[in-house]
Amino acid sequence: SQQGEEDPQALSIQEGENATMNCSYKTSINNLQWYRQNSGRGLVHLILIRSNEREKHSGRLRVTLDTSKKSSSLLITASRAADTASYFCATRDSSYKLIFGSGTRLLVRP
Amino acid sequence: SQTIHQWPATLVQPVGSPLSLECTVEGTSNPNLYWYRQAAGRGLQLLFYSVGIGQISSEVPQNLSASRPQDRQFILSSKKLLLSDSGFYLCAWAKTDNMRGYTFGSGTRLTVV
Repeated sequence: SQQGEEDPQALSIQEGENATMNCSYKTSINNLQWYRQNSGRGLVHLILIRSNEREKHSGRLRVTLDTSKKSSSLLITASRAADTASYFCATRDSSYKLIFGSGTRLLVRP
Repeated sequence: SQTIHQWPATLVQPVGSPLSLECTVEGTSNPNLYWYRQAAGRGLQLLFYSVGIGQISSEVPQNLSASRPQDRQFILSSKKLLLSDSGFYLCAWAKTDNMRGYTFGSGTRLTVV
């Protein structure tokens, strides 16, 4: 089963613009994580935000978490062509399982 | 540093044939281990996870099985592949506290013909 649903499913922007992706989930979580996947490759962990945190930054990435709305957003600022990839949110509850959403395909046009 | 190895990278197998995919982790002990499957253009589906040797939890009933014969080795198997088993299989590991991200292998693209 999939816990999170990303929105939009696909996003196309110009290089230098910001990209915002949203994720909604259904159950209580321990933490929420964002991953990136280049076509045909494995996933790379980007950032983890705990359930008691509201915002976190890492370089050009900014993640917010609203547990009351069961939603999160990933903002990539000043996008680059190399940011083209699929982005997934994943949630972890009190178990050992990490459940992924369906992903957002980001295309950054040079 | 910790590394994860997954092989083979690609595999084409006929329907009804057996399957064995192997994943090993180096540089850590007692990791949590995971097998995921990804259909084309879709998200990841958790298949199995293991928190210790011989301990396997199955998330999706199907004709796949998993085993953990050693602390840092995780194997995905099938006795008879179906066409619907085609997909991209990813192995991952995480620390037991799970407060850091998962590290994924490079994946195996399986095509059942």
